[in-house]
Amino acid sequence: AQKVTQAQTEISVVEKEDVTLDCVYETRDTTYYLFWYKQPPSGELVFLIRRNSFDEQNEISGRYSWNFQKSTSSFNFTITASQVVDSAVYFCALNTNTGTASKLTFGTGTRLQVTL
Amino acid sequence: DGGITQSPKYLFRKEGQNVTLSCEQNLNHDAMYWYRQDPGQGLRLIYYSQIVNDFQKGDIAEGYSVSREKKESFPLTVTSAQKNPTAFYLCASLKGSDNYGYTFGSGTRLTVV
Repeated sequence: AQKVTQAQTEISVVEKEDVTLDCVYETRDTTYYLFWYKQPPSGELVFLIRRNSFDEQNEISGRYSWNFQKSTSSFNFTITASQVVDSAVYFCALNTNTGTASKLTFGTGTRLQVTL
Repeated sequence: DGGITQSPKYLFRKEGQNVTLSCEQNLNHDAMYWYRQDPGQGLRLIYYSQIVNDFQKGDIAEGYSVSREKKESFPLTVTSAQKNPTAFYLCASLKGSDNYGYTFGSGTRLTVV
């Protein structure tokens, strides 16, 4: 069975601070995909990144960066110089099946509050 | 533009009533999913369908039913057997050949009054 753990329920930071959201996953499969989604107050899920299990290269996209470490089964997300618009719930998710058998397993989410 | 449309955005239901949530996609995606979101519990899978006229139970299917008569449509019925239906419901779809190209709708917030 797959499991995703986001131990941080809620994080509050002041604008311009850096913040890291933790994600730890469990799977016995050797091929899998990891995701981060952002859920603003409007409710829709906004795709941020996906990573497959064979690609441990870290990625940076503007103020966002992701650190994937298979040795610790972690896929952490860092926001540099946070802004108020970053306030949202962030979900980490795992997919181990392929094609239409694919199912996403989500963590419980981390609510990020960025204040002025 | 292609996407997923969920309707209505807000829905109120009296106890003991069945209610159906709509999910329509024009992406030509093969698989469709229903997730339920409760505060502090993340998203949990209710039902999913890989092809037309076929669907499987997810982790929390009790009290729910679905149909997949058309590729574009995957309605979810919340029955009176669902004891705690108040939640946010999200529909998603996935192209058959893709392992990661999920598209999500904007959700329906169901409240039992």
